[in-house]
Amino acid sequence: AQSVAQPEDQVNVAEGNPLTVKCTYSVSGNPYLFWYVQYPNRGLQFLLKYITGDNLVKGSYGFEAEFNKSQTSFHLKKPSALVSDSALYFCAVRDLMNTGFQKLVFGTGTRLLVSP
Amino acid sequence: GAVVSQHPSRVICKSGTSVKIECRSLDFQATTMFWYRQFPKQSLMLMATSNEGSKATYEQGVEKDKFLINHASLTLSTLTVTSAHPEDSSFYICSARLLARLNNEQFFGPGTRLTVL
Repeated sequence: AQSVAQPEDQVNVAEGNPLTVKCTYSVSGNPYLFWYVQYPNRGLQFLLKYITGDNLVKGSYGFEAEFNKSQTSFHLKKPSALVSDSALYFCAVRDLMNTGFQKLVFGTGTRLLVSP
Repeated sequence: GAVVSQHPSRVICKSGTSVKIECRSLDFQATTMFWYRQFPKQSLMLMATSNEGSKATYEQGVEKDKFLINHASLTLSTLTVTSAHPEDSSFYICSARLLARLNNEQFFGPGTRLTVL
């Protein structure tokens, strides 16, 4: 089964500094990887995805992620953090079910706290 | 585009009652909808996959008779928590997969917070 791991429960960064939220994956075959953000009491918002192509994927709100096959990582990055970026971030990978349907498997989430 | 709504956003009910949560894709057709459950400070756990016109596929450990899912149309899926108990209190999130998208992109609803007293 496919899986992703987010090794950090929380990441703290000062506003204006670059941020990185880590994600590593374990898949058989080509990975389909995603990043989502969740604000308090809200559903998930899609940030970006990697299917194929360039290893550097650009997404919403200035976020980007770098796919690294040798390190099996898909870290989320932003050059300059904003206080409004403070939220819960989930990495996810596509998995195929026995039925042939697809589903997303989520990591445990990383809380990003950006201080003024 | 690709907006998913959920109703209600919050519900409080007494133990033993049933609660229905609706998930609607507002501006697109969704052949597949997913229901997730999220406990405080935890990740989303897939409960079931709902396909229009067919029975839902439940994840291991999820009680089919307790969490009834009906995907009656390409824009509506409902989750009914039957005989709810306090341990069912959670944040329930649905998502819908866009019919025309082949890369598994899902659009998530805003969630429903269920509190069972």
